[in-house]
Amino acid sequence: QVQLQESGPGLVKPSGTLSLTCAVSGGSISSSNWWSWVRQPPGKGLEWIGEIYHSGSTNYNPSLKSRVTISVDKSKNQFSLKLSSVTAADTAVYYCARILVPAARVYYFDYWGQGTLVTVSS
Amino acid sequence: SYELTQPLSVSVALGQTARITCGGNNIGSKNVHWYQQKPGQAPVLVIYRDSNRPSGIPERFSGSNSGNTATLTISRAQAGDEADYYCQVWDSSTEVVFGGGTKLTVL
Repeated sequence: QVQLQESGPGLVKPSGTLSLTCAVSGGSISSSNWWSWVRQPPGKGLEWIGEIYHSGSTNYNPSLKSRVTISVDKSKNQFSLKLSSVTAADTAVYYCARILVPAARVYYFDYWGQGTLVTVSS
Repeated sequence: SYELTQPLSVSVALGQTARITCGGNNIGSKNVHWYQQKPGQAPVLVIYRDSNRPSGIPERFSGSNSGNTATLTISRAQAGDEADYYCQVWDSSTEVVFGGGTKLTVL
C-alpha cells in the first residue's frame, strides 16, 4: 500500500516561495509512475499543478508554469514543490498524488496524501 | 483549453439513484475518471476509465461516457455517499483537467 505524506511550512509570506515535500512509502519513487501536486483553495475545486517522473522529466500547468518547480530526490524517495512569488490566491490545501498512466491518454490519480494547508499571509 | 462542466449540486433521496454529469466537448472520446471527496479528506478514486471501479469501491458506483456527457451513477444512495464528486480527464492541450465538482446531498 503506497502512502504519501506532505510536509512543509503552513504559513508563507506574500512574494515569498512556498516549499513542500512529499515522502513516499510502501513503494519506490523510481517505479513506472508519475508523481504530482494538486491544490484546492478553501471551498473551491481541484487544480493540477504539475508532475514529475523519477528521471526528472516534468510537466506543469500552463497557468502556473512560470512560478513552479517540481524536483525529485530518489535517495530519499520523495519529491518536492516550489512555488515562487506567492499571493493570497495561492492559499490552498496542497496534495501530492501518484499518477497511473496505464495507456496512452489514460491518466489518473490512484493514491493521494492527506493534504497540507498553506496560507499566504503577512 | 479543454473544460469540464459539472452541476454545483445534486440531491437524492436515501436509497434512490443519483446521477452526476460531467460535460465536455466530445468527452466520449476521452477517458473519464471520478473522485469522491468528503469534508476534510483527500479525494478518493471511485471510477477510472469511464466505468471501472477500483478495489474496495462498492458496486453501487458505476460510470458511463458518451457524446458530450459522462455520468457517475450511485445506486441505492446512502448517507455515507454525501460528498463532493469531481470528474477528471487528460487533454493534450491542457494536460490534467478537473471538473468544478458536484456536491451530493442525500435526503
